Amino acid sequence: NAGVTQTPKFRILKIGQSMTLQCTQDMNHNYMYWYRQDPGMGLKLIYYSVGAGITDKGEVPNGYNVSRSTTEDFPLRLELAAPSQTSVYFCASSYVTVGELFFGEGSRLTVL
Amino acid sequence: QQQVKQSPQSLIVQKGGISIINCAYENTAFDYFPWYQQFPGKGPALLIAIRPDVSEKKEGRFTISFNKSAKQFSLHIMDSQPGDSATYFCAARLNDYKLSFGAGTTVTVRA
Repeated sequence: NAGVTQTPKFRILKIGQSMTLQCTQDMNHNYMYWYRQDPGMGLKLIYYSVGAGITDKGEVPNGYNVSRSTTEDFPLRLELAAPSQTSVYFCASSYVTVGELFFGEGSRLTVL
Repeated sequence: QQQVKQSPQSLIVQKGGISIINCAYENTAFDYFPWYQQFPGKGPALLIAIRPDVSEKKEGRFTISFNKSAKQFSLHIMDSQPGDSATYFCAARLNDYKLSFGAGTTVTVRA
């Protein structure tokens, strides 16, 4: 089992560009999440999904969008990238409620 | 605004020593308190977790102590090993979907 797979691992964007971070899981988990990790700040929840077709905002959703068309995939879209979106992004999943989270290896995004 | 306050930011311990990381919270609605371990370049992974009706939980060299009245909990790493060098995050669950994470503690174990 691959678990949670994120692509790309690294990306540099120019201000104003857009991109999609991909996330897929093969554990048949219902719940999926996107977090961002900044130094000294822990992990902040951006968006989450409790199943295909259902998404909701987390703590820091501004500047991001998500969709969940299948159980396996939960892409994160960045529109009009800003330097404040420079961060490491983690996708995670859990079987039921947010007990044990399974994280991907992260996507490091730099906006210049 | 950090709902879970974690300290220290970093610590260095000699091999065989004890590492102690502390977390404090205000919201009494939190019902589950996990600790995650993260190695460089990897995502966090669940290490150990506790519910508020238990005062202590031990798994191998890792122990969580929980003080409900003080709204504090801590992670003790006994007989620390170089392989324990990582960043540790405490967290608290508010509801089915949301974990609030502490800021993280980077532990370095010197051989």
